[in-house]
Amino acid sequence: AQKITQTQPGMFVQEKEAVTLDCTYDTSDPSYGLFWYKQPSSGEMIFLIYQGSYDQQNATEGRYSLNFQKARKSANLVISASQLGDSAMYFCAMREGGRDDKIIFGKGTRLHILP
Amino acid sequence: DGGITQSPKYLFRKEGQNVTLSCEQNLNHDAMYWYRQDPGQGLRLIYYSQIVNDFQKGDIAEGYSVSREKKESFPLTVTSAQKNPTAFYLCASSMGTSGSRNEQFFGPGTRLTVL
Repeated sequence: AQKITQTQPGMFVQEKEAVTLDCTYDTSDPSYGLFWYKQPSSGEMIFLIYQGSYDQQNATEGRYSLNFQKARKSANLVISASQLGDSAMYFCAMREGGRDDKIIFGKGTRLHILP
Repeated sequence: DGGITQSPKYLFRKEGQNVTLSCEQNLNHDAMYWYRQDPGQGLRLIYYSQIVNDFQKGDIAEGYSVSREKKESFPLTVTSAQKNPTAFYLCASSMGTSGSRNEQFFGPGTRLTVL
């Protein structure tokens, strides 16, 4: 079974609109961390935001916020006021607590921002 | 500037040849990782190392080998036993301390093509 599921292979969004990228995860471990990374066409992975399973509030980093719904095992990324430079692949990832440092990545969502 | 460097950016190999991909970091991170990315896919873990002179197999270690003789360096050798080595290879590092955010920082990647 997949640990990280991203159901949107591609999305097209008008510039300046908000966009939500979906991510669901599967773990029985009560302690875990969730990450979102951005991969532009250059290939480098850029860390965007982190949410710990015990964090009481949803994480925010500038225009990025994470809509964490623990009971639904959902960790959607919200980008506000999208920009052309947001066009990229976006990956959701999870590290389970008590384990070594391995992170499991989803298959990604390709986001296209339209001018 | 602190960061992770990978070389070369593009690498071409003939079938049956071994090839080594370089990864160097000056972030003073304990943990280092190698991932493979195929087109339209997420990242799959090849090998990781949490400390010098120690490393563990990831999910797809067959046909690859690594060494960790120095904290800063974690080279990956793609051997002739790897049946389908054409892919994009990403190196990453993290502080390696448990119980913290401990996000991974990535290098720019090496694109390997087998001719």
